[in-house]
Amino acid sequence: EAAVTQSPRSKVAVTGGKVTLSCHQTNNHDYMYWYRQDTGHGLRLIHYSYVADSTEKGDIPDGYKASRPSQENFSLILELASLSQTAVYFCASSLRGPTEVFFGKGTRLTVV
Amino acid sequence: TQTVSQSDAHVTVFEGDSVELRCNYSYGGSIYLSWYIQHHGHGLQFLLKYYSGNPVVQGVNGFEAEFSKSDSSFHLRKASVHWSDSAVYFCAVSPNSAGNKLTFGIGTRVLVRP
Repeated sequence: EAAVTQSPRSKVAVTGGKVTLSCHQTNNHDYMYWYRQDTGHGLRLIHYSYVADSTEKGDIPDGYKASRPSQENFSLILELASLSQTAVYFCASSLRGPTEVFFGKGTRLTVV
Repeated sequence: TQTVSQSDAHVTVFEGDSVELRCNYSYGGSIYLSWYIQHHGHGLQFLLKYYSGNPVVQGVNGFEAEFSKSDSSFHLRKASVHWSDSAVYFCAVSPNSAGNKLTFGIGTRVLVRP
């Protein structure tokens, strides 16, 4: 079964600190994504990647970096966490083209 | 830039009732549409998609959706809901040229009462 695993599942971070959210997929998918979910906004795309060692900016990339060291792994990095980055973050993967996107269970990040 | 509108934030129905969740989009070109379900505390799960062909598409667990180019809509329907259908439903769109970069609506929370 297709699987996207996120870690940690929840995290409390201090304002100004560095946060790294990790994602691992066993789907053999080339495409991976990071979305953020806020109440009233649905999900919004932060960064995505089509191939290892390459990342692209999504719709709301400011304040975030991404890293794709291998096909299976995709990280989201907050160099200087801010209160406004408190949200639930979802990693996802898919094949190329208009196909089903597989989501992880999410990481709840609280910045204090 | 594409946008997605889900006009109903909350819908309450009784078990066995039918339900229709509305989704309208704006985009001038060819588009890929899909619906996802999110149960409380979980990630999103794919329900169905429309890319081309028959405008009525069938999905998992008895869900279907109908694409209308003239109305710029992709409404989701189920003829008889079960309590387990209580969840948040998201409509998503992506221009065909953008692969799977999905733009989501804000979601419709469905509560199925016994």
